[in-house]
Amino acid sequence: DSGVTQTPKHLITATGQRVTLRCSPRSGDLSVYWYQQSLDQGLQFLIQYYNGEERAKGNILERFSAQQFPDLHSELNLSSLELGDSALYFCASNLVGGGETQYFGPGTRLLVL
Amino acid sequence: GENVEQHPSTLSVQEGDSAVIKCTYSDSASNYFPWYKQELGKRPQLIIDIRSNVGEKKDQRIAVTLNKTAKHFSLHITETQPEDSAVYFCAASYTGNQFYFGTGTSLTVIP
Repeated sequence: DSGVTQTPKHLITATGQRVTLRCSPRSGDLSVYWYQQSLDQGLQFLIQYYNGEERAKGNILERFSAQQFPDLHSELNLSSLELGDSALYFCASNLVGGGETQYFGPGTRLLVL
Repeated sequence: GENVEQHPSTLSVQEGDSAVIKCTYSDSASNYFPWYKQELGKRPQLIIDIRSNVGEKKDQRIAVTLNKTAKHFSLHITETQPEDSAVYFCAASYTGNQFYFGTGTSLTVIP
């Protein structure tokens, strides 16, 4: 157990819908990352937050948005869902950012039908 | 930005043989290089990492080497076992920044 928690574990929804994925970082960690992993694909970096502020942005679609709250948990919002959005979504955290160990949560498996 | 390339994409070895996975990076500012192992449907798990002030690090059957001049780093697994079968990812980052991941290597250890 890495100490990073993600909810829900599984999510099944329909095209056009909107979902919210939640991540709680390890106690004391200020930096949160979101990744998307489609079937048999690599880890696609979406976005990084540090202490409530956006720090880096990857290939995140305009239909997706995220935020980090004052209690440091983070939410990833996916809207106007398409079949191709079906994937594993991982959250990771560490203390301040790159240059140190990053710990991954168990992931949320999203299936869009 | 940083660009990390990883080779090979697939690797099959006989049990007991060694496996080597190589990564190159482009940004000389990168100073931290972790390796992750990911089993099907599970989270990536850190197996070993190295910082730019170190050339080599070993942990039992796993070792990582770093050549800063050539900007490449490699994962070495000796005496491979079937439970080593998984996808391995390399990554590069520098302090405070995001992580840049390689595209992954699917390792199969044949009993």
